[in-house]
Amino acid sequence: EVQLVESGGGLVQPGGSLRLSCAASGFSFSSYAMSWVRQAPGKGLEWVSVITNYDGRTYYADSVKGRFTISRDNSKNTLYLQMNSLRVEDTAVYYCAKGVGGSGSSMRLDYWGQGTLVTVSS
Amino acid sequence: QSVLTQPPSVSGAPGQRVTISCTGSSSNIGAGYDVHWYQQLPGTAPKLLIYGNNNRPSGVPDRFSGSKSGTSASLAITGLQAEDEADYYCQSYDSSLTALSWVFGTGTKVTVL
Repeated sequence: EVQLVESGGGLVQPGGSLRLSCAASGFSFSSYAMSWVRQAPGKGLEWVSVITNYDGRTYYADSVKGRFTISRDNSKNTLYLQMNSLRVEDTAVYYCAKGVGGSGSSMRLDYWGQGTLVTVSS
Repeated sequence: QSVLTQPPSVSGAPGQRVTISCTGSSSNIGAGYDVHWYQQLPGTAPKLLIYGNNNRPSGVPDRFSGSKSGTSASLAITGLQAEDEADYYCQSYDSSLTALSWVFGTGTKVTVL
């Protein structure tokens, strides 16, 4: 059974940092692209970042570029999101999700974690 | 704001058929990129509902179906049930976006009357 379990969320002041983790199990983690998707309270889904499986290439939404860093440790089956210079508008539930259909234009997200809440507030 | 536009809400009585549109452009749906659909029940994570325009993952009832034409796609729910009350998002790829090209639609709330 595929499982994705996020951790690391919490309350942080503007300008602060947090590192989210996503522990994966039930599939060959190193074989799939992985993503972070966020959802602000009462809002829609926003794709935040993607990391490919074969070459570790990374992609970021303009809203987080230069502040967030996605990474993966295939030996630990874990995905990370380092978030620096956090802003109030980064407040959201952050989901990690497994990509399928390659890491190109056909990619969709077939398994999602339960999400972790990040609140940026003074 | 997303490059994929959905109606904010649709509603229907139990047993009825409802459709949700996902309107894009020549750089995403119109360019031939696949459209996928997700269902998000209240308080839960999204779930892949339709992939590759019109394919259902195992376990998804055949009441759900997808289609694509031109620069738009649609999700249809036939025989609407109370448990279908949720938010629905389309997703595709946009070649005009330089940073991150995978995008979600604006989302549609389905209410069962």
